Amino acid sequence: EVQLVESGGGLVKPGGSLRLSCVASGFTFSNTWMNWVRQAPGKGLEWLGRIKSKTDGGTTDYAAPVKGRFTISRDDSKNTLYLQMNSLKIEDTAVYYCTTGSSGRSWGQGTLVTVSS
Amino acid sequence: DIVMTQSPDSLAVSLGERATINCKSSQSVLYSSNNKNYLSWYQQKPGQPPKLLIYWASTRESGVPDRFSGSGSGTDFTLTINSLQAEDVAVYYCQQYYSTRITFGGGTKVEIK
Repeated sequence: EVQLVESGGGLVKPGGSLRLSCVASGFTFSNTWMNWVRQAPGKGLEWLGRIKSKTDGGTTDYAAPVKGRFTISRDDSKNTLYLQMNSLKIEDTAVYYCTTGSSGRSWGQGTLVTVSS
Repeated sequence: DIVMTQSPDSLAVSLGERATINCKSSQSVLYSSNNKNYLSWYQQKPGQPPKLLIYWASTRESGVPDRFSGSGSGTDFTLTINSLQAEDVAVYYCQQYYSTRITFGGGTKVEIK
């Protein structure tokens, strides 16, 4: 069974940083492209970015609102996906999900990030 | 970026009746080399993550009831829920994965009339 477990969320001040993790199991993580998606309170879904598998180059792509502030990485030895978030803004407050593949087959339960002074 | 526009924003349907949700993309998401539409549909219930219902615009994910169906091609797509059940109350999203930057529709809330 595919499992994705996000962690690392919490309360952070504007301008601060946070690193989220997503531990994967139940599938071959190293062969899988992975995404981060967020959902602000009461709002819709927003794709943040993705990282390809290393066999496909391991490259990353980002949505415009987070490009240059957020960095996605992966550690295939630990089956873990990361999201490093810098220069956080109040509008980054959201539940952050990791998802598998381009069609979004599997989602974690999410981790809440609150940016507030 | 490809803009995904869903309609309506919300709809109320009687139990056992049909619900129809539309999704329009600002450019085609049909990849001509494989004739596949890079379009997914998700269901999200309160307090839960989204669940994949449909991919390639019309392929039902394993375990999804057959009352859910997807159709359309190019820029216009439809999610149909036949014989609406109480457990289908949720917000539904379309998503394109044709372009490098994935985008979602704004969501459609389905309620019971």
